[in-house]
Amino acid sequence: QITLKESGPTLVKPTQTLTLTCTFSGFSLSTSGVGVGWIRQPPGKALEWLALIYWNDDKRYSPSLKSRLTITKDTSKNQVVLTMTNMDPVDTATYYCAHQRAAAGSFDYWGQGTLVTVSS
Amino acid sequence: DIQMTQSPSSLSASVGDRVTITCQASQDISNYLNWYQQKPGKAPKLLIYDASNLETGVPSRFSGSGSGTDFTFTISSLQPEDIATYYCQQYDNLLSLTFGGGTKVEIK
Repeated sequence: QITLKESGPTLVKPTQTLTLTCTFSGFSLSTSGVGVGWIRQPPGKALEWLALIYWNDDKRYSPSLKSRLTITKDTSKNQVVLTMTNMDPVDTATYYCAHQRAAAGSFDYWGQGTLVTVSS
Repeated sequence: DIQMTQSPSSLSASVGDRVTITCQASQDISNYLNWYQQKPGKAPKLLIYDASNLETGVPSRFSGSGSGTDFTFTISSLQPEDIATYYCQQYDNLLSLTFGGGTKVEIK
């Protein structure tokens, strides 16, 4: 079955760069049409899409955060990495990675999420 | 950017009631609209994809409809286990994605 799990620091300081890793199993990111996305959720607030990477290395970013985000994949390790620069306390959130089924815009499998707090 | 306006932001209904949530897109998104359920402390769960298709394993009391800019999500008979926050999400030709602001559903 498909599983995803996020890993990374739980606490980062303002201005630092956040690096999160999504390690998955049950599918290959070399399969045509498949994608992995990152979504975050500040405490008590709504979901916010951040970035997507597809099987063919095509990448999509949230327009409002594009300048701060980089998404990459390592197909051999079944991992997707998201980096976010210049972290601020407003970036405190639970960060999720999720599987996007081929040729569809829906996220059908999600990781458990990881809470990242930005504080000095 | 395509904006998604979801309403209401919260609602309270009795067990067995019909519950309706709406989502309006700022421009035509065809049927590129999904619905998720999120329970406290958990990751979202896909319920409806492409506006009206029920995800495998999801109870048939959940349904979705609409196209273009106006979409509706319905729970035909609210159950205690349906207490959650529901989100719509659009995908504009897979170029960008946006979630709605969420609707918190509570039992009266």
